[in-house]
Amino acid sequence: AQKVTQAQTEISVVEKEDVTLDCVYETRDTTYYLFWYKQPPSGELVFLIRRNSFDEQNEISGRYSWNFQKSTSSFNFTITASQVVDSAVYFCALSEARNNDMRFGAGTRLTVKP
Amino acid sequence: DAGVIQSPRHEVTEMGQEVTLRCKPISGHNSLFWYRQTMMRGLELLIYFNNNVPIDDSGMPEDRFSAKMPNASFSTLKIQPSEPRDSAVYFCASSFKQGGVNTEAFFGQGTRLTVV
Repeated sequence: AQKVTQAQTEISVVEKEDVTLDCVYETRDTTYYLFWYKQPPSGELVFLIRRNSFDEQNEISGRYSWNFQKSTSSFNFTITASQVVDSAVYFCALSEARNNDMRFGAGTRLTVKP
Repeated sequence: DAGVIQSPRHEVTEMGQEVTLRCKPISGHNSLFWYRQTMMRGLELLIYFNNNVPIDDSGMPEDRFSAKMPNASFSTLKIQPSEPRDSAVYFCASSFKQGGVNTEAFFGQGTRLTVV
């Protein structure tokens, strides 16, 4: 079965700092999908990005960017110029194309201090 | 679309009672997931359905847990009898899967279950 590891349990930064959240995955499938979700203090789970295994192109969306590297089985998430509103728990997840069970990592709690 | 709708939002029940959580997926989605979130175990996948058929229920912790999806617009997760260790937030999510493509799942607001 697939596995997602988010080694950073908690990260604390000061506003305007850049921060990178790490995600390492394991799968035996050649076709798979990677995701990032945000869970703010209010508790809902908000979808941020989906990447398929054939698309290693990095993506940037405003202050958010994602670096997908198959060679190291990593899908890292960087927030540039962090803001207090970025404080949340961030989850990385993976699903394999042959089934559809999306498995989550343990999450990284990001605290951005003013 | 209103998104994934879960009910109730909060449930407090006594140990031994039956609890039923409800979920209405996004219209047009053909995959539905039930997750449980606790501090100790994080987000656990309990069961998921494709086209109303349960595909993998290996995450269901015990026989006390059961899930059904009688049609494309409704699913239930039942716990009978409930125990204090079942206290958690239960999320339902839905997505669209076709031809080997797994799209992102959208989550409901969750049901916070407290068993006393």
